[in-house]
Amino acid sequence: SQTIHQWPATLVQPVGSPLSLECTVEGTSNPNLYWYRQAAGRGLQLLFYSVGIGQISSEVPQNLSASRPQDRQFILSSKKLLLSDSGFYLCACEGLGGGYTFGSGTRLTVV
Amino acid sequence: DQQVKQNSPSLSVQEGRISILNCDYTNSMFDYFLWYKKYPAEGPTFLISISSIKDKNEDGRFTVFLNKSAKHLSLHIVPSQPGDSAVYFCAASEEGSNYKLTFGKGTLLTVNP
Repeated sequence: SQTIHQWPATLVQPVGSPLSLECTVEGTSNPNLYWYRQAAGRGLQLLFYSVGIGQISSEVPQNLSASRPQDRQFILSSKKLLLSDSGFYLCACEGLGGGYTFGSGTRLTVV
Repeated sequence: DQQVKQNSPSLSVQEGRISILNCDYTNSMFDYFLWYKKYPAEGPTFLISISSIKDKNEDGRFTVFLNKSAKHLSLHIVPSQPGDSAVYFCAASEEGSNYKLTFGKGTLLTVNP
C-alpha cells in the first residue's frame, strides 16, 4: 500500500523567509503527485501536480513553486513567504481506484 | 467559480440516526466523484467513490448516490456514530485530467451521543 511522508507537521515562519516542504512516497513507482492547500474557510485547493520527474504543472498563480527531483519526492518551496501563504498544506498521491492517498499535512503559519 | 459546492458548512445529528451530506457540481465533464473524511490536523482519508455510469455505491454504513441530471450527489451514513464526527469533502475529477481533483469546501459533521 502507498504511504506518504510529509514534514514538518507544523511550521511558523516570518514574512519574507524561505520555505521548503518535503513529501516522499513509498509503495508505488512513477505516481502522480499533488500539492493541495486548505486555507481558513476554504476547501482543498490544488496548487501543483506532477506526472513525473521534473514535470510540474501549476494550477494557480502564486508565490510558491514545486519541484520533483526524484520519482517519489515532491517539494514545495517559496523564496519569500507572504502572510497569505498561511494554511494547511497536503501532499497527495494518486491511489488505486482513483482516490488519493494524502499525507498528514503541514500547518504553516506565516507571522 | 466554484465547480463543486457543499452548501451546508455544518450538520449535527444524533447517534444512530442517518447523516446526509450533500454536494452539487456544475462541470458536466466530471465523471468520477469521491468523498473524503478529515479530522483536524490530519490529511483527508478516502471514504467512497462513484463513477458517473452508476447512481449508487454502497460500502458498509456509507452509501453515495449520484443524480447526474441534477448534478447532485449525496453521502448517507447509517447509523451515524460519534467517531464519524469530522469534516467531509466532496471531490470530482474529469477523465483525462491526470486525476486532478476539485474539492468542495467541506461539511463539518457532528454526531452527538
